[in-house]
Parts: sequence; C-alpha cells; structure tokens
Amino acid sequence: EIVLTQSPATLSLSPGERATLSCRASQSVSNYLAWYQQKPGQAPRLLIYDASNRATGIPARFSGSGSGTDFTLTISSLEPEDFAVYYCQQRSNWPPYMYTFGQGTKLEIK
Amino acid sequence: QVQLVESGGGVVQPGRSLRLSCAGSGFTFSGHGMHWVRQAPGKGLEWVALIWYDGSNQYYADSVKGRFTISRDNSKNTLYLQMNSLRAEDTAVYYCARLSGNIGSDYWGQGTLVIVSS
Repeated sequence: EIVLTQSPATLSLSPGERATLSCRASQSVSNYLAWYQQKPGQAPRLLIYDASNRATGIPARFSGSGSGTDFTLTISSLEPEDFAVYYCQQRSNWPPYMYTFGQGTKLEIK
Repeated sequence: QVQLVESGGGVVQPGRSLRLSCAGSGFTFSGHGMHWVRQAPGKGLEWVALIWYDGSNQYYADSVKGRFTISRDNSKNTLYLQMNSLRAEDTAVYYCARLSGNIGSDYWGQGTLVIVSS
C-alpha cells in the first residue's frame, strides 16, 4: 500500500506570504496526485489534479508541481480565505486501484 | 448544477448493517466513476471505495474490504454503500464524490454521519 506523508503538519503564516506544502509518496505514483482544501464543516474542494492542473474556478495563486514521489502545493500569496486544511491524494499506478490520502497539513494564521 | 446528496446515516449498533445512498443530479451520472470517502470526527480524510462509471469494477480500502460493498444504479442516478459488520472505528461522516479523470474528485456531497455505538 502506498503511503502519503504530508509536511509540515501545521504551517503558520501571515496573509500575503508564500506557502509551500509537501506530499511525499512511499513509491512512485507517476502524476496521479490531487490536492484538496477543506474548511471546518465543509466538504473538501478540489484544487489540483494530475499533480499540476488547476481545477475549474481555482485561483492562479494555487499551483502544483512534482511527479513520481515528491509533490508540492504552492500558494503564492496567501489570502485570508486560504487558511484551512490541505490534503493530497494519490491513485496507484496499477489495479487494484487505491486512492489514499495524506494526513493533511493545517495552514493557520500566524 | 451538479448535486450529490447522501442519505441513510444514523446510529447503529456494532455488528449491524447500514446502507448509504447518494443521489446525483445535474450531470451524466453514468459517465463518471464515484467514490465514497469518510472522515472520523476530528480526523483526516480516508478513501473508502470506488466504482467505475458502468459498475464493472470496484476497489476498496483494506480497512473495509470484505465488509463494505459499493454499487450503483445508473437508471436511478444513485450510488450505494452497503456496510456490514460495523465497528466503532467506522464512525465518520461519509461523503460521496464524483471522480473526474484519473485522480481528482471535483464534486462532493454534504456528507452523512454514521455513528456505530451500543
């Protein structure tokens, strides 16, 4: 089973700063990686799919990069509404397909 | 607009069964794979199961394999999760989500809460 490890667990930053969130897979997942944002009491929101493609309606300040085992979500300049929990999710390369999530990174206001 | 609405959650005793439903609207339901994802109180997201757009393949997390069954009725635009032999650790909000492409769930329901307790 592929394990996703997100770091840091908590990231404390101020509005306007740049945020860099990491997701590392225990084995290669090619580019089968997505990023989600979740706010309290809400369902997750898709930000990035296939490692680097922004989902519909997602602001350009969100970007994803990486392939294989190391992936990054970057928020270029934090807005107040960006403070939330972020999850990465992978799909295994071969059947049986598994779609595991990382444990999450909480982005909090400093 | 795309909508996913879960139902069927509630309080159930350990060892009993429960069936969740997810009604889709505003899109071609039969054209998309569908996931169940759960979130225990105060915890992170856990993928539960996926079913292909036509129901021909299903995949499960190890934690539910052999106990849960994902299915769909495309004539009713409805996704199901049959949960048997429920355990306390199955307590969570259960979300259905639409798969878009290879990876990425672009629409989610509001979730339905399942509490397994005696």
